[in-house]
Amino acid sequence: QKEVEQNSGPLSVPEGAIASLNCTYSDRGSQSFFWYRQYSGKSPELIMSIYSNGDKEDGRFTAQLNKASQYVSLLIRDSQPSDSATYLCAVSEDNAGNMLTFGGGTRLMVKP
Amino acid sequence: GAVVSQHPSRVICKSGTSVKIECRSLDFQATTMFWYRQFPKKSLMLMATSNEGSKATYEQGVEKDKFLINHASLTLSTLTVTSAHPEDSSFYICSASTSGRIGQFFGPGTRLTVL
Repeated sequence: QKEVEQNSGPLSVPEGAIASLNCTYSDRGSQSFFWYRQYSGKSPELIMSIYSNGDKEDGRFTAQLNKASQYVSLLIRDSQPSDSATYLCAVSEDNAGNMLTFGGGTRLMVKP
Repeated sequence: GAVVSQHPSRVICKSGTSVKIECRSLDFQATTMFWYRQFPKKSLMLMATSNEGSKATYEQGVEKDKFLINHASLTLSTLTVTSAHPEDSSFYICSASTSGRIGQFFGPGTRLTVL
């Protein structure tokens, strides 16, 4: 059974700090990795996707992938109160993200 | 681009009735549509995957006769919850994917409450 594990949190960081969100997955055959942000009562919104080992940066967000350790992380620099949400890690068996398995999500709280 | 809509956004129904939820891709043709269910403070659980014109593929434990999925066109999929019961109350979210673009694009979700 494919599993994607996240610490449920809440992770509390002060405004302006770096928030670090972590995710591990069980299926070594996973091909693509995604981070979604979900505000309470809303549907998930794609933030980042990553496919190869290393870092990928997009604005204040950096995704990190280590396939050997089966580990994905998301760093949010200069955290803002508007970043407060649940962050879902999702892992797919294919390159296109058509076979997603979601983690339970980490709730992030950014305090002004 | 890649906007997905769902209707209705909220529905309250009596136990035993059926409820239909529509999912539309507004600015692209969706080769595949997905239906998820999310209980409070839980993650998304995939219910079924559907391709236009073919039968949906249901995940283990999801009753296909209870959750009827129709994917009649490249822009519309419907989920009908038949003979709904209070335990079916949940947040139902659809998503869509299209060739040439990575990832799934999620609709805004439908909150179903069965009394």
